[in-house]
Amino acid sequence: QVQLVQSGAEVKKSGASVKVSCKASGYIFPDFFLHWVRQAPGQGLEWMGWISPDSGSAVYAQKFQGRVTMTRDSSISAVYMELSRLRSDDAAVYYCARYHGYDKRLDFWGQGTPVTVSS
Amino acid sequence: EVVLTQSPGTLSLSPGEGATLSCRTSQTVSSSFVAWYQQKPGQAPRLLIYATSTRATGIPDRFSGSGSGTDFTLTISRLEPEDFVIYFCQYGSSQGFTFGPGTKVEIK
Repeated sequence: QVQLVQSGAEVKKSGASVKVSCKASGYIFPDFFLHWVRQAPGQGLEWMGWISPDSGSAVYAQKFQGRVTMTRDSSISAVYMELSRLRSDDAAVYYCARYHGYDKRLDFWGQGTPVTVSS
Repeated sequence: EVVLTQSPGTLSLSPGEGATLSCRTSQTVSSSFVAWYQQKPGQAPRLLIYATSTRATGIPDRFSGSGSGTDFTLTISRLEPEDFVIYFCQYGSSQGFTFGPGTKVEIK
């Protein structure tokens, strides 16, 4: 069965960076893009970008350009999302999700990684 | 960028009643790329409906989707206790994804 397993909760100081991992299993890793979506406490869903596990190329939402980097390690079927220069409003749960390109749906999601930013 | 608006923000209903949730896009979009997600407290979102009206695997048939152009609807025919959670619509394009702000369905 398809599974996306994310790394554990993080606590970071303002100005630091955080790197969240998402390990995929149960399907052919290069065949599906992976997206990152975040959700601040009590708020809605915010799309951050996607990465192609095949080529490693990534597309980022304009809001995060210059601060986010998405990478992959095909040898272990994992993708990573690194967000730098953290601010208090970056405190959120970060999700990875598998992308079905034909109809642009996110069909499987990781369990989420809470990130706390302290001053 | 396509902006999604959902209404109402909160829907108060009783178990067994039907629910109609609305999602409006800021411009005409392809119905092939509109999806709905359900999110329970403390959990990741779960795909309910994609391509406007196709139920995802394992989703009960009390959930249905419809719409075109700029107006899309998620209908829950008979609310079960586990349906009283939050629902998000989403539009995807080659430029990116946007989500609506969500509709909370609560017990009246």
